[in-house]
Amino acid sequence: SQTIHQWPATLVQPVGSPLSLECTVEGTSNPNLYWYRQAAGRGLQLLFYSVGIGQISSEVPQNLSASRPQDRQFILSSKKLLLSDSGFYLCAWSPATEAFFGQGTRLTVV
Amino acid sequence: GNSVTQMEGPVTLSEEAFLTINCTYTATGYPSLFWYVQYPGEGLQLLLKATKADDKGSNKGFEATYRKETTSFHLEKGSVQVSDSAVYFCALSIAGGGSNYKLTFGKGTLLTVNP
Repeated sequence: SQTIHQWPATLVQPVGSPLSLECTVEGTSNPNLYWYRQAAGRGLQLLFYSVGIGQISSEVPQNLSASRPQDRQFILSSKKLLLSDSGFYLCAWSPATEAFFGQGTRLTVV
Repeated sequence: GNSVTQMEGPVTLSEEAFLTINCTYTATGYPSLFWYVQYPGEGLQLLLKATKADDKGSNKGFEATYRKETTSFHLEKGSVQVSDSAVYFCALSIAGGGSNYKLTFGKGTLLTVNP
């Protein structure tokens, strides 16, 4: 069966520091991969999606970037974090119409 | 564009009460519809889905019927439990370019069930 791993679970970072969140999927090949952010208002915002290695589409211009160096690895990065980057970050993969989510990373920028 | 509107709540019920969370959508084309559940501090779990009109998705006592004529996908449960306390998200997906499907979410409804 397929599983998705996301880490770390929680992260506290100072303003201006770099960020790297990692997500890996097991048990499938060539999945569609997604990064979402959930702010305090509970809504989910799609940040990036990828349909293959090296193929990244950005939904919202911002201080973040994403990369897919391997088929089942998806990385969310920032060179310099802002206070507004705080939130709950969710990685997801999709075999077709629905998506399956990781456990999320709670990022607090201080 | 595509959008999902759901009652934001919060919704507070007593155990064994009947639950309805309303969800309506606008979409170009023929979307698939979903309900996701998020327990505190966790990611989202797929609760149920329906892929075409008049389909009924069901899981763990929850049900929702894809109503194309009213563009709705209301979530119902006949008798809620304390363990059902969570945030519930309605969502739709439409095929994007190629095989890529992008989910559009409602803002979520916080459900609290008291013993």
